[in-house]
Amino acid sequence: GAGVSQSPSNKVTEKGKDVELRCDPISGHTALYWYRQSLGQGLEFLIYFQGNSAPDKSGLPSDRFSAERTGGSVSTLTIQRTQQEDSAVYLCASSLAGGGGGNEQFFGPGTRLTVL
Amino acid sequence: SQQGEEDPQALSIQEGENATMNCSYKTSINNLQWYRQNSGRGLVHLILIRSNEREKHSGRLRVTLDTSKKSSSLLITASRAADTASYFCATRFSGGSYIPTFGRGTSLIVHP
Repeated sequence: GAGVSQSPSNKVTEKGKDVELRCDPISGHTALYWYRQSLGQGLEFLIYFQGNSAPDKSGLPSDRFSAERTGGSVSTLTIQRTQQEDSAVYLCASSLAGGGGGNEQFFGPGTRLTVL
Repeated sequence: SQQGEEDPQALSIQEGENATMNCSYKTSINNLQWYRQNSGRGLVHLILIRSNEREKHSGRLRVTLDTSKKSSSLLITASRAADTASYFCATRFSGGSYIPTFGRGTSLIVHP
């Protein structure tokens, strides 16, 4: 594809349900990032994947959050037992590489999650 | 916090005027990037400036970096209504995290 895509674009769920958010990065990009943005706030880093290395999970807010990246491409962010404070826009970004230089991040349009 | 902080939080100007936004950070950086976000969705990369650079231009955008003051500014000249958006700086710290960290952003409104 031409850019980073995310699905669904909007998700409304009930408190306590599990949700899965999907990110398709740009082909060939080895680095993939998940961020969370609450209303009117900056981006909060969640997790980072780089190639075949172990992901950096240092930003995940609780053990209800997990993510995987299959085959070095598509990534899924899973939130278990959702809480109202999980409501936010979840943004995915990819870049050519992560560790060195100033690689531009390409962002997807985000998934707006609303937990009722 | 290591993240950059943008200033002002909000800026309202008339079309044709210049808009200046600032970003301050706390530790040494490798580079600093500016992004734009429309309608609370995906961010678009605008410009990157490396720690050994002082000024960069891209169209109507001018970015400066003062590493001694740990600050950067983004100037948009001859603003247009379409420039209305939130602007974020992202910093990558030298010798540390490779994950760009973002500030809270400056919300710019350009009135036609």
